[in-house]
Amino acid sequence: GAVVSQHPSWVICKSGTSVKIECRSLDFQATTMFWYRQFPKQSLMLMATSNEGSKATYEQGVEKDKFLINHASLTLSTLTVTSAHPEDSSFYICSADSLVGDYEQYFGPGTRLTVT
Amino acid sequence: GENVEQHPSTLSVQEGDSAVIKCTYSDSASNYFPWYKQELGKGPQLIIDIRSNVGEKKDQRIAVTLNKTAKHFSLHITETQPEDSAVYFCAASTKYGNKLVFGAGTILRVKS
Repeated sequence: GAVVSQHPSWVICKSGTSVKIECRSLDFQATTMFWYRQFPKQSLMLMATSNEGSKATYEQGVEKDKFLINHASLTLSTLTVTSAHPEDSSFYICSADSLVGDYEQYFGPGTRLTVT
Repeated sequence: GENVEQHPSTLSVQEGDSAVIKCTYSDSASNYFPWYKQELGKGPQLIIDIRSNVGEKKDQRIAVTLNKTAKHFSLHITETQPEDSAVYFCAASTKYGNKLVFGAGTILRVKS
């Protein structure tokens, strides 16, 4: 149980284009979904928190117009990196916490984004 | 804001030995402390967690201890195996409910 999927697992795009990453909770409904960014050999940096049907809450320093988050249902959240640049290249990971559980966050497998 | 410090940053042990990773947190409101294992190129996997109303929790070869007074919590892995090699992250909940703050991570290498 508590499986979170992400799609795509990796993507290469050209500078200036937009990329959408999907995060799904497969066997549970999520109260909240989180989006993290991870640079090589570093910890997870929380970008934003999203709840179904409401606007995402972005962490300080994260541009909400650049990283668009849509939380369409209790099992799906999407992150769109708009007008991507090489510095946006990173490992993006989502997590979801269960409606039933209390604080437990289950992570997806991550999406490797490379902007050329 | 909340801060979580994790030590050591790297840890090498011989197969069969024990490994201990320690974390300290700053927010006295924290009441949930999970540990995650991350293998290269993958997402973090929840391996064990502890809540503030208990001092210790064990699951087979893995145990976590919590000292709320000192704001310390530790991960203990006994009888380490090569497949335990990975990066381990501790985390602590914040006063904002389900948000977590992560430690910097520990690279564990188990040598066979």
